Amino acid sequence: EVVMTQSPATLSVSPGERATLSCRASQSVSSSLAWYQQKPGQAPRLLIYGASTRATGIPARFSGSGSGTEFTLTISSLQSEDFAVYYCQQYNNWPPLTFGGGTKVEIK
Amino acid sequence: EVQLVESGGALIQPGGSLRLSCAASGFTVSNNYISWVRQAPGRGLEWVSILSGGGTYYADSVKGRFTISKDNSKNTVYLQMNSLRAEDTAVYYCARNVLPPMFQFDIWGQGTLVTVSS
Repeated sequence: EVVMTQSPATLSVSPGERATLSCRASQSVSSSLAWYQQKPGQAPRLLIYGASTRATGIPARFSGSGSGTEFTLTISSLQSEDFAVYYCQQYNNWPPLTFGGGTKVEIK
Repeated sequence: EVQLVESGGALIQPGGSLRLSCAASGFTVSNNYISWVRQAPGRGLEWVSILSGGGTYYADSVKGRFTISKDNSKNTVYLQMNSLRAEDTAVYYCARNVLPPMFQFDIWGQGTLVTVSS
């Protein structure tokens, strides 16, 4: 099973600032990595797939990078609606499909 | 509109059974892969099961107790859950997997709550 580890668990950021979230895989997942955003009481929403491709309708301030075992989600200038929990997920080696534990982005 | 709608969540006693439904609209389940993903209260996301072109697969935590199936005529996917345990308490989401080689979850339902408690 591929174990996904996200860091930090919580990130405190001021509106307008840049946020950088990390995701590490226990073995190479190539570029088979997705990022999701989840707000309280809502289902997750797909942000990024293929490590770096934005999903339909996702603003350009969200960007993904990395391959192999190290991945990054960057939010260039945080808006109020971006405060949420973010999950990475690999789909290179399955079953099982595995998620990271999440990073909560909160207002500083 | 492309969407998934779950139903069937309830309060159930340990050892009991429950069947969740996931009704699709805007696309056909027969031509797509559908997963169930759960989220325990205050916890992260956990993949549970997938109905794919190659068959059905399960997380080790539910193997032998849960069964995923579909009814193409109703455009609906089901999750039959038997021998339920307290640790199965969670919001259960169904989600569509983009077809291989890309396999991310592009469409999610709103979730249905399953509480296992006496």
